[in-house]
Amino acid sequence: SQELEQSPQSLIVQEGKNLTINCTSSKTLYGLYWYKQKYGEGLIFLMMLQKGGEEKSHEKITAKLDEKKQQSSLHITASQPSHAGIYLCGAAELPNAGNNRKLIWGLGTSLAVNP
Amino acid sequence: EPEVTQTPSHQVTQMGQEVILRCVPISNHLYFYWYRQILGQKVEFLVSFYNNEISEKSEIFDDQFSVERPDGSNFTLKIRSTKLEDSAMYFCASSTRLFYNSPLHFGNGTRLTVT
Repeated sequence: SQELEQSPQSLIVQEGKNLTINCTSSKTLYGLYWYKQKYGEGLIFLMMLQKGGEEKSHEKITAKLDEKKQQSSLHITASQPSHAGIYLCGAAELPNAGNNRKLIWGLGTSLAVNP
Repeated sequence: EPEVTQTPSHQVTQMGQEVILRCVPISNHLYFYWYRQILGQKVEFLVSFYNNEISEKSEIFDDQFSVERPDGSNFTLKIRSTKLEDSAMYFCASSTRLFYNSPLHFGNGTRLTVT
């Protein structure tokens, strides 16, 4: 079955620094989602990528999906304390006769931003 | 902005008791899901629900689990006889289209503690 690995597992940065989180799949991704989870709270949707080479940005966060659709990165520019939380990547497994209706998830990257 | 709401936020129950976790998905969404996250582990798919029936369920979703959409707004997860290993954060989610074409919107979760 497909596995998603995220790196690093945790990250502490100084406010204003840039950072990158990676998500790697053992198989080709059909769709890749980035979510943010604040401690003890729900998952907040950030971005969805579907095409190889696709790149999307929202405010200071940019997500990319490589051409082979096996790796995605999440880049935060000029980090702020409000960016702190756990970043999760989720992926759709390749459809299997149209019956595969679930997302699989990475373990998450815990980000702390020191003021 | 519309959101998925879950109640209660925290439920403590004794082993062997039945629990019902409640969710109100976003009103125009058609697909509903339950996921869970055991502390320190990955988010896991439990079940998806569309058109008043289960679309897919995981191996975790055994006979002890059931889902229901009793009216036009609520979506519930019932665990018939809870076990210690059912302790986890349970997330409800909904989407407008099939999961790989549309992001899932998650509630804040119900933390279930089985003692």
